[in-house]
Formats: sequence, C-alpha cells, structure tokens
Amino acid sequence: GESVGLHLPTLSVQEGDNSIINCAYSNSASDYFIWYKQESGKGPQFIIDIRSNMDKRQGQRVTVLLNKTVKHLSLQIAATQPGDSAVYFCAENILGSARQLTFGSGTQLTVLP
Amino acid sequence: DGGITQSPKYLFRKEGQNVTLSCEQNLNHDAMYWYRQDPGQGLRLIYYSQIVNDFQKGDIAEGYSVSREKKESFPLTVTSAQKNPTAFYLCASSIGTPNEKLFFGSGTQLSVL
Repeated sequence: GESVGLHLPTLSVQEGDNSIINCAYSNSASDYFIWYKQESGKGPQFIIDIRSNMDKRQGQRVTVLLNKTVKHLSLQIAATQPGDSAVYFCAENILGSARQLTFGSGTQLTVLP
Repeated sequence: DGGITQSPKYLFRKEGQNVTLSCEQNLNHDAMYWYRQDPGQGLRLIYYSQIVNDFQKGDIAEGYSVSREKKESFPLTVTSAQKNPTAFYLCASSIGTPNEKLFFGSGTQLSVL
C-alpha cells in the first residue's frame, strides 16, 4: 500500500548546527508535499510546502528539497535553535484528486545546548 | 485572530459513555477534518466534510460520528462503540480543496477512566 515514511525516528543536533530531516514516499503520482512541525501537546503547524514542478523551495531558515527520481523529500533547518525541538512530519497528496493528505509518522528533533 | 479552536483540551470518558469534542473555525474555510493521533504514529483521518450538511468517512470512522450543521463547526462524537478511544484528536480545516495544506487546532487529549 501507499506510505509516507521517515528514515529516522529521532534526530539530535547541537544548537546552531543545521538539521536535515528526511522523508520517503511511495506514490510516484504524488505531486504536492508539506512539512509540519508539532510541539508536544499541540497541533501541527504548517512549515513549508512544495509542488512537484520544483526541486527546492526556501522559507525562513528552512529549505525543502524534492527528489522525484528517488521519491525523497528533505527538510533542512539552518542554525537550529532550541525552539525547533519538535516532531516534524511530512505529508503528500495528488493535486486535483479526491485523495486526502497522507501523513508520515514523524521525526523527533532534539536540539542540544 | 483567525484560527481553529478545539475544546476541551483534556477529556475523560467513562465506560459506555459518548463524549463530544468541539471544533470551531473562523477562517471561512469550506472543508473540515478530524484526525486521530496515537503516540509515535502519524495522523489517521476519521471524518471530513467539504461543505455544510455533508461529510464522508475517513480511514477509521468506526465508533465515531460527526455533524456539519454550520460552516464554522464540526463536532466529533466518540461513541461507546469505540473501544480504544484514548488518543490525541486533531481538528483541521482547509480552504476548499482536499488536496492542499491543512490548518490544525490545538488538539483534545481523550482518556478513558
């Protein structure tokens, strides 16, 4: 069946370093991808999205890279801060379809002082 | 501020009891959703509604019911038929299409007494 998964369930980085969170997807027809951040006990917060006509998209301190050839998505966080500690998960879908977003299980990012 | 309000933050259910989780949005979004989140897992879709007075089952609708009498409101009832209701419940909304990014509420933690 279809799945959106993450390579690593946990990631620890030093404050100030860059973080890279990865996501693999299995549906080659997927053309829309989103990254969410979820802090403990809170709802997911939209970070950034990307459509399949792009390979890269940048936001404030975040960059999403999309490699459609290997069906891989990554979220890069520059100069990671303690406030970045959270679970990050990706979601994917097919624009224009009746299909709902499919969510991955997430990566717990811990920022070390 | 525009957003999605879920209440209560914490809810306890007794055996055989139905409980209702509230979700209100003032974003003027057409579509609303309910997701269930279990520890360490991704989001699973319970029900969604794309317009008032209409809703569809998601992947795990059994033991749950919803109504959509107003555009702003999409309450979820966890019935006694749901034998494992303990989870974090998230309400979300989107502008209209089911494919694009969702905006989430802050969640309700439901536990069984």
